[in-house]
Amino acid sequence: GENVEQHPSTLSVQEGDSAVIKCTYSDSASNYFPWYKQELGKGPQLIIDIRSNVGEKKDQRIAVTLNKTAKHFSLHITETQPEDSAVYFCAPVTSYDKVIFGPGTSLSVIP
Amino acid sequence: DTGVSQNPRHKITKRGQNVTFRCDPISEHNRLYWYRQTLGQGPEFLTYFQNEAQLEKSRLLSDRFSAERPKGSFSTLEIQRTEQGDSAMYLCASLTSGGTGELFFGEGSRLTVL
Repeated sequence: GENVEQHPSTLSVQEGDSAVIKCTYSDSASNYFPWYKQELGKGPQLIIDIRSNVGEKKDQRIAVTLNKTAKHFSLHITETQPEDSAVYFCAPVTSYDKVIFGPGTSLSVIP
Repeated sequence: DTGVSQNPRHKITKRGQNVTFRCDPISEHNRLYWYRQTLGQGPEFLTYFQNEAQLEKSRLLSDRFSAERPKGSFSTLEIQRTEQGDSAMYLCASLTSGGTGELFFGEGSRLTVL
C-alpha cells in the first residue's frame, strides 16, 4: 500500500517568513497530489492541489511543486500570517478506493 | 449545499456500550469515506463507499466496527462494545466521481470512551 511521509512534523516561523513542507510517497502510480489544512476542531480542507502532468501550481501565497521522479511534492507558503497556523496534510492519490493521508505537519506562525 | 454534516458532534460513553455516528454527504456526491483521527495524527482510513456499495475496508477495522450506506445517501458508522482505545475523532468525507478529486470533510464526531 501507499506509504506517505511528511517533513518536518512541526514547523515554527516568524510572521512574514516562508514555510515549506515536503511530502514523500511510495506509489509511482499516484496522479493527484493535494494539500489539506486542518484548523483546530474542524475537518481538513483542501487548499491546493496539482496533477501529475504539471510541475508547479501557485495560488496567491501558496504553491505546490511536484517531482514525480523523486516521488515527492512540497507545499510552499510565502509571507506567512498567524491565520496560516494549522496542521497540514498531504494525501497523494492513486485510486479513490483508498485515500491515504500523511501524518501531518503542525505549522506555527509567530506574530 | 450545506456541506458534509456529521452527528453527533460529541459522544461520551462508557466502555462496553454501542455508539452510532451518522454522516450526510453533499447531495450529489457518490463516494463517501470514514476516517479516524487521534490527537497529533493524520486521518486514518477506515472504509469507503461508492453509492451504497462498501468497496474498501481497512484491515485495521475490527469486527466491532460496521458501516452502512443503505440508499447511497447518508452513512452510519457503528462501534459495538466500545473500548477506551476507540476514543478518537471520526471524520466523514465525500466526493463526486468526475469531479476535481477534492475530498470534502465534515467537522467530525468526537468519541470519548470512559
